[in-house]
Amino acid sequence: GAVVSQHPSWVICKSGTSVKIECRSLDFQATTMFWYRQFPKQSLMLMATSNEGSKATYEQGVEKDKFLINHASLTLSTLTVTSAHPEDSSFYICSALPSTVYNEQFFGPGTRLTVL
Amino acid sequence: AQSVTQLDSQVPVFEEAPVELRCNYSSSVSVYLFWYVQYPNQGLQLLLKYLSGSTLVKGINGFEAEFNKSQTSFHLRKPSVHISDTAEYFCAVSSYTGGFKTIFGAGTRLFVKA
Repeated sequence: GAVVSQHPSWVICKSGTSVKIECRSLDFQATTMFWYRQFPKQSLMLMATSNEGSKATYEQGVEKDKFLINHASLTLSTLTVTSAHPEDSSFYICSALPSTVYNEQFFGPGTRLTVL
Repeated sequence: AQSVTQLDSQVPVFEEAPVELRCNYSSSVSVYLFWYVQYPNQGLQLLLKYLSGSTLVKGINGFEAEFNKSQTSFHLRKPSVHISDTAEYFCAVSSYTGGFKTIFGAGTRLFVKA
């Protein structure tokens, strides 16, 4: 149980294009999902908190117009990187907080984004 | 504000030797504590967690950790490491501060030598 999937697992795109990453909780409902970014040889940094049916809350320094988050259902959150640039290349990891569990989130396998 | 400090960025150790990876945190509210392992080009794998109850928690692959509230620490230990334990290890602290939030430590690279 408590499985989270991400799609795609890796993506390469050209500079200036947009890329959408999906995060799904497969066997539970998640009112809250999180998006993290991890640069090479660094730790995970929280980008935003996504709540179903409402606007995402972004961490300081994260551009909300560049990283669009949609959490339209209790099992799906999407992150769209708009007008991607090479500096957006990173490992993006989502997690989901089950609606019935209050103290543990479950992580997806991550998406490797490379912007050329 | 909440913070997590992993005191060692790299820990080299010989195979079959014991190891301890240190993690200290600061928080003004109750916390939940986690250790994750990350192998190259992969996602996070949960090793163990402290949510409540016994302060000594056992996890997968022979790892264990002890929650010490007075010292605000959650050190990870393994009595005998294997080459396959070579990986990046992250300590994470979750709490409710205006919503559920998790802070990760900077990570410790465990390198097991033959």
